[in-house]
Amino acid sequence: DSGVTQTPKHLITATGQRVTLRCSPRSGDLSVYWYQQSLDQGLQFLIQYYNGEERAKGNILERFSAQQFPDLHSELNLSSLELGDSALYFCASSVGGTSDEQYFGPGTRLTVT
Amino acid sequence: ILNVEQSPQSLHVQEGDSTNFTCSFPSSNFYALHWYRWETAKSPEALFVMTLNGDEKKKGRISATLNTKEGYSYLYIKGSQPEDSATYLCAFHDYKLSFGAGTTVTVRA
Repeated sequence: DSGVTQTPKHLITATGQRVTLRCSPRSGDLSVYWYQQSLDQGLQFLIQYYNGEERAKGNILERFSAQQFPDLHSELNLSSLELGDSALYFCASSVGGTSDEQYFGPGTRLTVT
Repeated sequence: ILNVEQSPQSLHVQEGDSTNFTCSFPSSNFYALHWYRWETAKSPEALFVMTLNGDEKKKGRISATLNTKEGYSYLYIKGSQPEDSATYLCAFHDYKLSFGAGTTVTVRA
C-alpha cells in the first residue's frame, strides 16, 4: 500500500458525459501527478500540482482539467467523454518535485461506452 | 513529445542469471531520471530517482547507472529471481515526465 488513495476504482459512463476522479496523496506529500494509461499507449503524464499550484502540464486534453485543494487532495475532471478516453488513470504523489520518488495510487479504471 | 526509448522491449532470463537493459533519453534539459517496477495488475513502484551524471544507485539486487551527457541509463538485476518478473519503466523528467514503453522481464525458474 503506497498510501495514495484514488476513488472510484471503476467508473463506467457514456460518451458525452463528465466525470470526476479523486486522489488523496500520502500524508506530507505536496505534489500530485496525474497519468493516463490507454491500451494502445504507454503511461502518459497529464499534469502536476504542487501545494495547490499547477507545476507542469503534459499531454492533457482541453476537455480535461484538474485542481489541487487546500487539503492537498486533487481531482481530475474529464468532460465530453469519448470512447478513446477509456483508460486507467493513475495519481501519484511525492514530497516535493523532480528529484523525489513518486508513489502511485491503485488507479481508476474508466470505461466510456 | 520527447523520445524516451527502452531496449530491449522484453527479455527472458534464467533464474540466477544477471541481466541489464537500457533507457535512452534526450541529453538536454535534464532534471532527473526515474526507474519504476510495474507488476501486472499493480501500480508502478518507484525504484530509483537519479539526478547527477555518474549517479549509481542500488536497492538489493537491482542497481542503476546514469550518463546524462550521452543520454542513457542502465538497470541491472543481479541473480534474477522469479519475483523480479515485471515491466521496468524509465521516465525522463525535464519540466514534465516522459515515459519509455518499458522492458518486460520474465524470469524462468
